[in-house]
Amino acid sequence: EPEVTQTPSHQVTQMGQEVILRCVPISNHLYFYWYRQILGQKVEFLVSFYNNEISEKSEIFDDQFSVERPDGSNFTLKIRSTKLEDSAMYFCASSDEAVPYNEQFFGPGTRLTVL
Amino acid sequence: QKEVEQNSGPLSVPEGAIASLNCTYSDRGSQSFFWYRQYSGKSPELIMFIYSNGDKEDGRFTAQLNKASQYVSLLIRDSQPSDSATYLCAVYPGNQFYFGTGTSLTVIP
Repeated sequence: EPEVTQTPSHQVTQMGQEVILRCVPISNHLYFYWYRQILGQKVEFLVSFYNNEISEKSEIFDDQFSVERPDGSNFTLKIRSTKLEDSAMYFCASSDEAVPYNEQFFGPGTRLTVL
Repeated sequence: QKEVEQNSGPLSVPEGAIASLNCTYSDRGSQSFFWYRQYSGKSPELIMFIYSNGDKEDGRFTAQLNKASQYVSLLIRDSQPSDSATYLCAVYPGNQFYFGTGTSLTVIP
């Protein structure tokens, strides 16, 4: 069964460093998303991406964040200068239809720890 | 501020019983509503979505939507210990998803 994959599963970085989180969405999906979940808190939407551009972004997705689909398979989230409060689980998701009828498939997540 | 409210629980039900999970939302323009299950340390897994008033059934799960009351619920019939998880309500008002904090459900064998 096709699934969304994410690498790495755990990333530890120093405050101020840049990190890139990688995702491989399901191959025939067209819509891509990043979410984060701080430990013990709710899942928060970061950004949606379609047709090689950002569709929507939340207030969290400021200039420190960027997304890219560098090739036909990968979808990346870059945090330019990490802060302590960026420590969270980051989930990538993909779907083959637009909201509101879509089923988003979530990847297993990358746990980001900023020291 | 668009809010999605859920009782955090924990909610405990005996095996075989009906578990009832509730969610309210603040944005009357919300278009679609989703229930996810999240096991500890894992990613959310979609159970079902609903966008019309009324009930939608899928196996042991029934979602109920009342847009006038801004209320969506999930019923789990014949609860199993494997249903023990956190259940997340998510709402889509037209631009992004808003998740509740989740309700922790424990099904006691």
